[in-house]
Amino acid sequence: DGGITQSPKYLFRKEGQNVTLSCEQNLNHDAMYWYRQDPGQGLRLIYYSQIVNDFQKGDIAEGYSVSREKKESFPLTVTSAQKNPTAFYLCASSPLGRASRLNEAFFGQGTRLTVV
Amino acid sequence: DAKTTQPPSMDCAEGRAANLPCNHSTISGNEYVYWYRQIHSQGPQYIIHGLKNNETNEMASLIITEDRKSSTLILPHATLRDTAVYYCIVRVAAGGTSYGKLTFGQGTILTVHP
Repeated sequence: DGGITQSPKYLFRKEGQNVTLSCEQNLNHDAMYWYRQDPGQGLRLIYYSQIVNDFQKGDIAEGYSVSREKKESFPLTVTSAQKNPTAFYLCASSPLGRASRLNEAFFGQGTRLTVV
Repeated sequence: DAKTTQPPSMDCAEGRAANLPCNHSTISGNEYVYWYRQIHSQGPQYIIHGLKNNETNEMASLIITEDRKSSTLILPHATLRDTAVYYCIVRVAAGGTSYGKLTFGQGTILTVHP
């Protein structure tokens, strides 16, 4: 089945440790995104990538890093510089093209990160 | 991307139509209106999108005003499973530096009652 997979679903880390969240898609989508969601809040864009080996900062990129070495993978590293890393993290992917229907984004089921 | 304004919450009786409004007064000519919904602790799900014509699919209908400054998502026969946060997003479909970027606002919490 085609889809977008995030792992793990729950993740616990000690304060001061870097942690990498996985996101893989087999939909052959060009664009991938990382969002953060805090309780009762909307989604905030961390980073996005439209093509392999290229990515742009979103609205809250500080304390995060990404890589896009393969089309199907877009891992997010939460570094120790992120002041409040405990949150629900969502990855998404979408095709890019002139037809607007192609811009529909597909989301993973999220990773809930808790830093203690 | 243009900013959107939605009411924070709405209620609807099961079986009735749910009409969710969205204001996007600064929308530009090449921006589409997209609707997503998020059921608790899951990833958002695409519902529908449109440019200026009204749209309908198996999930919902989208009514966009003639000046494109606002839109309404209609769930014609709401069920308990439609209880979710609904997000209205306007975004560029192609071209420009923000190409492909999705920016979410606070959304509307829709609660469907029995």
